[in-house]
Amino acid sequence: ESVLTQSPATLSLSPGDRATLSCRASQSIGTSLTWYQQKGGQAPRLLIYGASSRATGVPARFRGSGSGTDFTLTISSLEPEDFAVYYCQQRDYFIFGPGTKVEIK
Amino acid sequence: EVQLVQSGAEVKKPGESLKISCKTSGYNFDNFWIAWVRQKPGRGLEWMAIVYPGDSDARYSPSFHGQVTISADTSIDTAYLQWHSLKPSDTAMYYCAKVFGDIAASIIYFDFWGQGTLVTVSS
Repeated sequence: ESVLTQSPATLSLSPGDRATLSCRASQSIGTSLTWYQQKGGQAPRLLIYGASSRATGVPARFRGSGSGTDFTLTISSLEPEDFAVYYCQQRDYFIFGPGTKVEIK
Repeated sequence: EVQLVQSGAEVKKPGESLKISCKTSGYNFDNFWIAWVRQKPGRGLEWMAIVYPGDSDARYSPSFHGQVTISADTSIDTAYLQWHSLKPSDTAMYYCAKVFGDIAASIIYFDFWGQGTLVTVSS
């Protein structure tokens, strides 16, 4: 079964900065990769599915890319509400990555 | 509007049983898989189980198989997660999530989530 790793574990950035989050699968998963955002004390929220398709209502500053084993979530210009934990997930056993925390620098 | 409303927080003793619920609305409950996800305090997300309400087909993560039971009642559009004997290690937040896509499809994801049910198991 494929395992997901995310890097970095923590990203310290300022509002307006560009955020680049990585998710790597231990074996090829095509484009079967989903990204979620979780803010403190809240349920996760769907951001990106199929590696690159934005969910309804997700701002255009969120962009997903990649296929096979390497995936990236890019937030082009961080807004205050974007500081949160981001998880990737694959379809096999719905395995989640460990998460990347995007915190205010 | 799709909504998943979960039952309230629970405090239980080790060895006790528990069934938490996830009441859905705004979509055809019978035709979409629904999943449960665990999040231990300060930790990440773990998929536990998934059920297709239309025929009660249930699948479990190997980590949770035999530890919990997932079910669904189509007459009231509600999914459940049940324990027969709780352990302190079951202390966590539990989320239900509606699943978009077929379990055999390459693109499948959790598109709507409940607010979570906090389960605390302590003697």
